[in-house]
Amino acid sequence: EAQVTQNPRYLITVTGKKLTVTCSQNMNHEYMSWYRQDPGLGLRQIYYSMNVEATDKGDVPEGYKVSRKEKRNFPLILESPSPNQTSLYFCASSSLFSGANVLTFGAGSRLTVL
Amino acid sequence: QKEVEQNSGPLSVPEGAIASLNCTYSDRVSQSFFWYRQYSGKSPELIMSIYSNGDKEDGRFTAQLNKASQYVSLLIRDSQPSDSATYLCAVNTGFQKLVFGTGTRLLVSP
Repeated sequence: EAQVTQNPRYLITVTGKKLTVTCSQNMNHEYMSWYRQDPGLGLRQIYYSMNVEATDKGDVPEGYKVSRKEKRNFPLILESPSPNQTSLYFCASSSLFSGANVLTFGAGSRLTVL
Repeated sequence: QKEVEQNSGPLSVPEGAIASLNCTYSDRVSQSFFWYRQYSGKSPELIMSIYSNGDKEDGRFTAQLNKASQYVSLLIRDSQPSDSATYLCAVNTGFQKLVFGTGTRLLVSP
């Protein structure tokens, strides 16, 4: 089944404790991106990647890091999480063929930072 | 002014009626427009894309685009309770730059 897999789905952590949210897609998509979704603010792009070793900032990159060492994986790293990073996070992928904005989303990762 | 604006709703329609969802955007150079549907507790899924002025129909869904008025709409004919969800309008404003509205919640009552 073609899909984007995120882990963990739910996480409660404490301020300052580094964490990584993994994202993997099995569709050989070139493009991958991370979004956060907050009530009243909608979906906002954190980082995106055009291909392996090619990443760039989205609208709200502060406090996050990403890497794209393999085409299928695009982890989101929170080096020192803070309570304002409590949110619902979605990883998405898309292909050059279908169009960069035709996104397939993962199931989401709900993060709570205490 | 937000880049993409939607009425948050809820928009309530009876089963079988036409639901009309609206979206305005601020970037005049935008060329690509999308409607994503998000069920409660689920991830967004693409239901329609539109690139040219006019109407685009797909089953019970019709997307309408008016670039001069910077307006995109989604019509859902013969609305079903299973259409109850939040509908997100998204506008492409650059390479890999997709800006989402905050969504309109649609409730279809049996």
